[in-house]
Amino acid sequence: KAGVTQTPRYLIKTRGQQVTLSCSPISGHRSVSWYQQTPGQGLQFLFEYFSETQRNKGNFPGRFSGRQFSNSRSEMNVSTLELGDSALYLCASGRGGLDEQFFGPGTRLTVL
Amino acid sequence: DQQVKQNSPSLSVQEGRISILNCDYTNSMFDYFLWYKKYPAEGPTFLISISSIKDKNEDGRFTVFLNKSAKHLSLHIVPSQPGDSAVYFCAASVWGMEYGNKLVFGAGTILRVKS
Repeated sequence: KAGVTQTPRYLIKTRGQQVTLSCSPISGHRSVSWYQQTPGQGLQFLFEYFSETQRNKGNFPGRFSGRQFSNSRSEMNVSTLELGDSALYLCASGRGGLDEQFFGPGTRLTVL
Repeated sequence: DQQVKQNSPSLSVQEGRISILNCDYTNSMFDYFLWYKKYPAEGPTFLISISSIKDKNEDGRFTVFLNKSAKHLSLHIVPSQPGDSAVYFCAASVWGMEYGNKLVFGAGTILRVKS
């Protein structure tokens, strides 16, 4: 069974630009969650999608948004990039119930 | 507020001995707990989980213990191997169909297993 895939793996952007990250969950998984990892704040929850609906959202500004498609693939968008958005962005998939989430390799975003 | 705390930033253990990683939480509503292992530049790898109705779960060399009254869980690795050297994250969640399964992570503990 293929794992969670994320594209691209690395991105370099400049302040003010926007970026879109993509995540393909494990086959059969309907839940996709996004997390941000930074040295200062650790791993923080961004949002979760289940059956194309956002079920939960973390404490991040509105510049961070996402969506999920009917095939459960998900995209995350960050607009008006700031230097502090530099981080490892991780996607995790699950069945959507009280069960484990499996993470992808992450996208390393650097904002210059 | 840090709802999940891993108070030991690092732990060093001799190969073949037991590694014990600890985690404390403050939110009594958490009903599911997980441990992940992470190497640099990779995503976390799921290790083992436990629901709040249990106090112990085993999977091979990994055992997780949950003490709900103390709001404490621990991960035991026996025997420890050099390949276990990584960062270990404790995570907790409160699940509901309407709000999903948001994981709250601790800061992580770096485990070094010396050969």
